[in-house]
Amino acid sequence: KAGVTQTPRYLIKTRGQQVTLSCSPISGHRSVSWYQQTPGQGLQFLFEYFSETQRNKGNFPGRFSGRQFSNSRSEMNVSTLELGDSALYLCASSPTADSNYGYTFGSGTRLTVV
Amino acid sequence: GESVGLHLPTLSVQEGDNSIINCAYSNSASDYFIWYKQESGKGPQFIIDIRSNMDKRQGQRVTVLLNKTVKHLSLQIAATQPGDSAVYFCAEKGGRGSTLGRLYFGRGTQLTVWP
Repeated sequence: KAGVTQTPRYLIKTRGQQVTLSCSPISGHRSVSWYQQTPGQGLQFLFEYFSETQRNKGNFPGRFSGRQFSNSRSEMNVSTLELGDSALYLCASSPTADSNYGYTFGSGTRLTVV
Repeated sequence: GESVGLHLPTLSVQEGDNSIINCAYSNSASDYFIWYKQESGKGPQFIIDIRSNMDKRQGQRVTVLLNKTVKHLSLQIAATQPGDSAVYFCAEKGGRGSTLGRLYFGRGTQLTVWP
């Protein structure tokens, strides 16, 4: 069974640009959540999607957005990039939105903003 | 994380010894807990989980203990190996109403295994 796939693995962007990250969950999993990981703040929740609907959103500015497609694949977008957006962005999938099972993470996308 | 924390940021153990990593949580309504291992350059890897209706759960070389009275979680690794060197995170879920599906993470403990 394939795991959670995140693309691309690495990105370098310039301040002011925008970026789109992609996440393909484990086959059959319908919930996708996104986290930002930085050395200073640790793992912080961005948002969670289930059946193409955003169910939860963390405390991030509106520059951070996401969506989920009918095949459960998800994308997140960050507009007007700032240096502080440099981080490892992680995606996790689980069978359902309130499942007490699993939560498998991908390898992440390392975003560097210069 | 907002409500999940770790007592020690670093832990060094000798190969073959047992390791114990601790975690405190503040929400007594949390109903599901997970331990993750993260190696450099990789995403968090699921180790073991436990539901709030259990006190103990064992896996291969790992045991998770849950003490709901004092809101404490621990991960025990038996016969620690160099390959166990990584950052370990505890995460909690549930009991927060509209935040179903959201995990709250501790800051992590760096485990270093020396020969």
